[in-house]
Amino acid sequence: NAGVMQNPRHLVRRRGQEARLRCSPMKGHSHVYWYRQLPEEGLKFMVYLQKENIIDESGMPKERFSAEFPKEGPSILRIQQVVRGDSAAYFCASSPGHSYEQFFGPGTRLTVL
Amino acid sequence: GQSLEQPSEVTAVEGAIVQINCTYQTSGFYGLSWYQQHDGGAPTFLSYNALDGLEETGRFSSFLSRSDSYGYLLLQELQMKDSASYFCAVRDYKLSFGAGTTVTVRA
Repeated sequence: NAGVMQNPRHLVRRRGQEARLRCSPMKGHSHVYWYRQLPEEGLKFMVYLQKENIIDESGMPKERFSAEFPKEGPSILRIQQVVRGDSAAYFCASSPGHSYEQFFGPGTRLTVL
Repeated sequence: GQSLEQPSEVTAVEGAIVQINCTYQTSGFYGLSWYQQHDGGAPTFLSYNALDGLEETGRFSSFLSRSDSYGYLLLQELQMKDSASYFCAVRDYKLSFGAGTTVTVRA
């Protein structure tokens, strides 16, 4: 059973460009969570999605960031007009339900030049 | 919101026992989880306490006291491979993480 998959593993963007991060949850998991981690810090919750629904986006910056989890295909975290402060590791996690253990993917390391 | 405190660093020798304490303030609480992270890789689930008491999983144990808003992770018979960052996290439907404790195991 494949784990949570994220791609790309590393992404380099110049300021002002768009970044698209993809997450495929574990088989049978319909709940997806995105977290951001800055160096030497813990993970910070960004958004919680179920298929075709955003359940909680309280951790998402109000501008430039959006997330989706379509009926078919991976969950996408999209960052428009990236700035240097967006450089971080972005982790996706999935679970079979909201009160279950979350399994994390390997992360996408975004570097903004 | 959620607020968690844990020590930033712990150093110990192989074979020793290490306890990582975690105190939290929270507005929503299902339980306390513990994760291990090596070199910025994927956090790996270690343990979860929903009720007061001790949970034992091999060399690792975790404890929770809901009345004290306190928990700890106990690492026994330390091995070099246990050198990593350890995070406590409050679970409601999402995880709210502490800043992490870097454990360094010396020979």
